[in-house]
Amino acid sequence: KQEVTQIPAALSVPEGENLVLNCSFTDSAIYNLQWFRQDPGKGLTSLLLIQSSQREQTSGRLNASLDKSSGRSTLYIAASQPGDSATYLCAVCYNTGKLIFGQGTTLQVKP
Amino acid sequence: EAGVTQFPSHSVIEKGQTVTLRCDPISGHDNLYWYRRVMGKEIKFLLHFVKESKQDESGMPNNRFLAERTGGTYSTLKVQPAELEDSGVYFCASSQARGTTNEKLFFGSGTQLSVL
Repeated sequence: KQEVTQIPAALSVPEGENLVLNCSFTDSAIYNLQWFRQDPGKGLTSLLLIQSSQREQTSGRLNASLDKSSGRSTLYIAASQPGDSATYLCAVCYNTGKLIFGQGTTLQVKP
Repeated sequence: EAGVTQFPSHSVIEKGQTVTLRCDPISGHDNLYWYRRVMGKEIKFLLHFVKESKQDESGMPNNRFLAERTGGTYSTLKVQPAELEDSGVYFCASSQARGTTNEKLFFGSGTQLSVL
């Protein structure tokens, strides 16, 4: 069964800290992996997309890595800010085209 | 560029009634997806259109759910008759054709459906 797990479920950090969100998936035959951000009452915003042949992607203070063989991805957020507070979702795409989502990590960055 | 638009944003109906959700994808996006998040669970796939054709509807819960995408533009998702367990947030997403480098999925804000 294709499953995605995110750890931790919730995280609270002081402003300025670097942090790592973890994602693991059971079936390593992925097409790509995406990290999304969701703010309360809003839709999902795609942050980073990593193709199966890639090891990492970077956008500003965000860096996502992918280790397909071990079924893991991490999202690294540098110098966190209160505006980073949101739920972060990891989703894996297989060749069927549909995304399998994790339950998300809810991040709170305290000023 | 307009994003993925969904309406209504909220819908409150009674058990047994019918509700129709609408999604307008980004112009030019062939792929259109419906996803759902029920309380306390992860977001789950419902179905996938490529233009006007249903590519994969393996996630549709039962035959009370009917999705259409006439003309390959906007899509509707009808629930008839609605049951209590249908409550949740229904998301629509779109992307360009597979095989391009730009395969990011763009999501709408969702429709919060409450069945009482």
